[in-house]
Amino acid sequence: EAGVAQSPRYKIIEKRQSVAFWCNPISGHATLYWYQQILGQGPKLLIQFQNNGVVDDSQLPKDRFSAERLKGVDSTLKIQPAKLEDSAVYLCASSSGLGYDTQYFGPGTRLTVL
Amino acid sequence: QKEVEQDPGPLSVPEGAIVSLNCTYSNSAFQYFMWYRQYSRKGPELLMYTYSSGNKEDGRFTAQVDKSSKYISLFIRDSQPSDSATYLCAMSAGGANDMRFGAGTRLTVKP
Repeated sequence: EAGVAQSPRYKIIEKRQSVAFWCNPISGHATLYWYQQILGQGPKLLIQFQNNGVVDDSQLPKDRFSAERLKGVDSTLKIQPAKLEDSAVYLCASSSGLGYDTQYFGPGTRLTVL
Repeated sequence: QKEVEQDPGPLSVPEGAIVSLNCTYSNSAFQYFMWYRQYSRKGPELLMYTYSSGNKEDGRFTAQVDKSSKYISLFIRDSQPSDSATYLCAMSAGGANDMRFGAGTRLTVKP
């Protein structure tokens, strides 16, 4: 079974630029999550999708972050404009259900904002 | 006070040692407790999952939950160099969107 795929793996941009990350979840998984993991901290949930609908985006900084999951499969997370404090690893995870269910994480995209 | 506190280490032990990793928490509503292992440059992977209080054993790994003390532990017996990773505790009251992670403890097992 293929795991969660993410791209790019690494990205370096200057502040005020925009950036987009892509995630392909495990086939058949209805729920998709985006997390932000700042160095030395645990992952923090940014947004949760169930199929192509948003379940929770309460911790997403909506003035600069946006995410979509078209057709209930792949998802993109965008930051525009980026700030220095956005430097982090952005993890995508997927699970088969909505309630507590095992989440499978991708390798992450490491973003550096200069 | 953070909802979940975890000593970041680093922790270095010789091969074969018993490792004890711990987290404390403040939210009494948490009832699902997880331990994730995260290798360098990789995403976290679920290692152990426990519901409510008690112990759970899986091979060399044992997870313990003491809800009265708001304290959870992960024990690794006969530690191996391949166990070298960052271990994250995580807990939830019931939904995946309320899961809270600890900061992670970096473990190195030396041959």
